[in-house]
Amino acid sequence: DAGITQSPRHKVTETGTPVTLRCHQTENHRYMYWYRQDPGHGLRLIHYSYGVKDTDKGEVSDGYSVSRSKTEDFLLTLESATSSQTSVYFCAISESRTGSGNTIYFGEGSWLTVV
Amino acid sequence: QKEVEQNSGPLSVPEGAIASLNCTYSDRGSQSFFWYRQYSGKSPELIMSIYSNGDKEDGRFTAQLNKASQYVSLLIRDSQPSDSATYLCAVIDSSASKIIFGSGTRLSIRP
Repeated sequence: DAGITQSPRHKVTETGTPVTLRCHQTENHRYMYWYRQDPGHGLRLIHYSYGVKDTDKGEVSDGYSVSRSKTEDFLLTLESATSSQTSVYFCAISESRTGSGNTIYFGEGSWLTVV
Repeated sequence: QKEVEQNSGPLSVPEGAIASLNCTYSDRGSQSFFWYRQYSGKSPELIMSIYSNGDKEDGRFTAQLNKASQYVSLLIRDSQPSDSATYLCAVIDSSASKIIFGSGTRLSIRP
């Protein structure tokens, strides 16, 4: 298994509160990703990072921000959580850009419920 | 909007039979294709990748790619109850900028 650890694994929070999810990798991979997975929508990319302090938006980035201050850590922050952000969040890593044919590996997931 | 389409299922297959999972994609320039297996409550796990037209076999799994028809399939021979899971098809788009996932097909192997 790829060395990817997500925390917290489960969280219940109230609408309007900030939430930070952490992804930690031990593989020294350059690329890190945050996805959310919802019934009927599959996996959707929120943000990704291609190096320390280098990040870019995915297809569903509104309401989310990210930071990467170290190669091994990628943080996802919900500045003010809404019920629509109730989801399962997966961190993923890859050694190089997906276009090289290299694929990505997923962490165990973080279940977030916003009430 | 580049898309990857899968039948959501559930697809019910008797134990020991061949399970056939299909996926179509809209971006004709896509070059890399993957199948992930996801058990309920778990993260997706890569089981196959395929880049060239034709078949690629790995144990009980065979991935098939037809770029002209824009489909990729996964065959599981001698299906086992442990194969019951959701199977996600994933495609790297022609700009090579991102991987696009289908919504998955739920497979159920009945004894």
